[in-house]
Amino acid sequence: EPEVTQTPSHQVTQMGQEVILRCVPISNHLYFYWYRQILGQKVEFLVSFYNNEISEKSEIFDDQFSVERPDGSNFTLKIRSTKLEDSAMYFCATAWGGDQPQHFGDGTRLSIL
Amino acid sequence: AQSVSQHNHHVILSEAASLELGCNYSYGGTVNLFWYVQYPGQHLQLLLKYFSGDPLVKGIKGFEAEFIKSKFSFNLRKPSVQWSDTAEYFCAVNAAGGYQKVTFGTGTKLQVIP
Repeated sequence: EPEVTQTPSHQVTQMGQEVILRCVPISNHLYFYWYRQILGQKVEFLVSFYNNEISEKSEIFDDQFSVERPDGSNFTLKIRSTKLEDSAMYFCATAWGGDQPQHFGDGTRLSIL
Repeated sequence: AQSVSQHNHHVILSEAASLELGCNYSYGGTVNLFWYVQYPGQHLQLLLKYFSGDPLVKGIKGFEAEFIKSKFSFNLRKPSVQWSDTAEYFCAVNAAGGYQKVTFGTGTKLQVIP
């Protein structure tokens, strides 16, 4: 079964540094999402992306966050200046249709020091 | 905005016991409902989904869930659990139509004792 692939699996970064998390969607999927899960808390929606633009974002997704699909395959989440509270597991999810189940990647564990 | 409540945070069962995990949601409109499972060290996987039609849905690995609209519930069941069912289970909902975000419950950790 095709899978959503996320890299890296673990990223350790100093506070204030920029990080880019990468996701390779399932090939025919058109809808892309980022979620995060802070340790011990529930999975929270960050942003959805379709047709090369953001379709919805949560209040967590402030100006420090951005998403893009630079080469038509990878879907990236950038955090411009990381904070301690950005430490979390970040999940990419993709779907072929907007109303279809989302398929999740393994996640990237982001640790901010 | 939609929300999801999972009342059981940690469930411990012996093998062959029956399982029921509660899930309630709140949303004023039509919803799609999901159960995802996360096995230790693995990614979230879709267990089953309800979009419309028969409110009793069957998923993988012998799991099923029943959508009761009047109770805003979507409880997950399995008649006889196995050790390999040890995982965290997340109930989730999104508003039907469009490219809607999924809202997750807090998850239930299931531990099955051999």
